[in-house]
Amino acid sequence: GAGVSQSPSNKVTEKGKDVELRCDPISGHTALYWYRQSLGQGLEFLIYFQGNSAPDKSGLPSDRFSAERTGGSVSTLTIQRTQQEDSAVYLCASSLVGTSGANVLTFGAGSRLTVL
Amino acid sequence: GEDVEQSLFLSVREGDSSVINCTYTDSSSTYLYWYKQEPGAGLQLLTYIFSNMDMKQDQRLTVLLNKKDKHLSLRIADTQTGDSAIYFCAENGGGTSYGKLTFGQGTILTVHP
Repeated sequence: GAGVSQSPSNKVTEKGKDVELRCDPISGHTALYWYRQSLGQGLEFLIYFQGNSAPDKSGLPSDRFSAERTGGSVSTLTIQRTQQEDSAVYLCASSLVGTSGANVLTFGAGSRLTVL
Repeated sequence: GEDVEQSLFLSVREGDSSVINCTYTDSSSTYLYWYKQEPGAGLQLLTYIFSNMDMKQDQRLTVLLNKKDKHLSLRIADTQTGDSAIYFCAENGGGTSYGKLTFGQGTILTVHP
């Protein structure tokens, strides 16, 4: 598609429920990223997929968080047993990563998660 | 690990210059970036600079890089109310960290008429 598409744009859930957030990257982009944006926390790296390599999961805050990327395209971020501190905007980005040159990320508009 | 720091707030008058500062710790950074986020939107790339350069100019934007001090700045000339947004600096490391971008906390720029 023309840009990075994320859904839902807004999600309100109850504490303890599971949620799934979806990201549709730009066609042909080999890399896909999830970041979390909270008030006062800036932009926090969660996970990074690059081609067929094992994902860099070093930013996932707990084992309640997981992500997958199917067929090198669409990605789903799953948060199990949501807690109030999970409330944030979850941003997805994609890029065409080579071995040199600038790595320009294109971001989606984000999914705002509110846990009551 | 990598760390990127920014001041949180900047307030300027319309027509003045704005300077947003950023420091980073990763000495193997290859590129450094400035992104802009308007309310309710994702981040958009403004400009980037290769780590071997010390300055880059793009219309009203000037990026200065002091690699020795690991200090990056973004100057916006003739700041307009439409420039009010959050500005993020970011860096990508070298080697196996090349693909991953680390962002600062963002600087909220407020432009007063």
